[in-house]
Amino acid sequence: QKEVEQNSGPLSVPEGAIASLNCTYSDRGSQSFFWYRQYSGKSPELIMFIYSNGDKEDGRFTAQLNKASQYVSLLIRDSQPSDSATYLCAVKRWGNRDDKIIFGKGTRLHILP
Amino acid sequence: NAGVTQTPKFQVLKTGQSMTLQCAQDMNHNSMYWYRQDPGMGLRLIYYSASEGTTDKGEVPNGYNVSRLNKREFSLRLESAAPSQTSVYFCASTPRGGSSYNEQFFGPGTRLTVL
Repeated sequence: QKEVEQNSGPLSVPEGAIASLNCTYSDRGSQSFFWYRQYSGKSPELIMFIYSNGDKEDGRFTAQLNKASQYVSLLIRDSQPSDSATYLCAVKRWGNRDDKIIFGKGTRLHILP
Repeated sequence: NAGVTQTPKFQVLKTGQSMTLQCAQDMNHNSMYWYRQDPGMGLRLIYYSASEGTTDKGEVPNGYNVSRLNKREFSLRLESAAPSQTSVYFCASTPRGGSSYNEQFFGPGTRLTVL
């Protein structure tokens, strides 16, 4: 079983609609959850992190966490063509000296103009 | 403040050649990481260094060695390159160990082709 699983996509969403990206993880000791965005040919950049159950909103982005179901999602409201990218889900245990995080393979998102 | 820098940006090697990928950060971060990214495989950890003077293997260490030269610099060496090592290599760093939230900051990447 993969530690962090994401649908590879591509996920095609019309401009202005809500894009919903999903991620499941296997390690119940995971405590911090991250969403990175990666444009083609570029390096990943952090867009959201969450560590409490529930929702966390930042502008057009909302991260949702359900630890009981081992599920984390990212919603992008009012999707724009500039949101077209690969979105990487990552998880981390608390207290690790090494600060390693485990990445999923990413979901490719394509916003249709 | 340049963040995380990597050199070179592109490199082509022949099978059996050796090379060192350089990484430096100017953010006074403790932990540094080397990843490789292949199509459909996501980011896979090669080696990491939790602090100056320590290094540990990640998920895919075979064929690589690392050196944490000082707090700023973390290099990745391919002793005898193989075509299977064709990939994009990212270096990353994070501020401190053991906290609940630590963003990893990534360098721009090195695109390596082994013929």
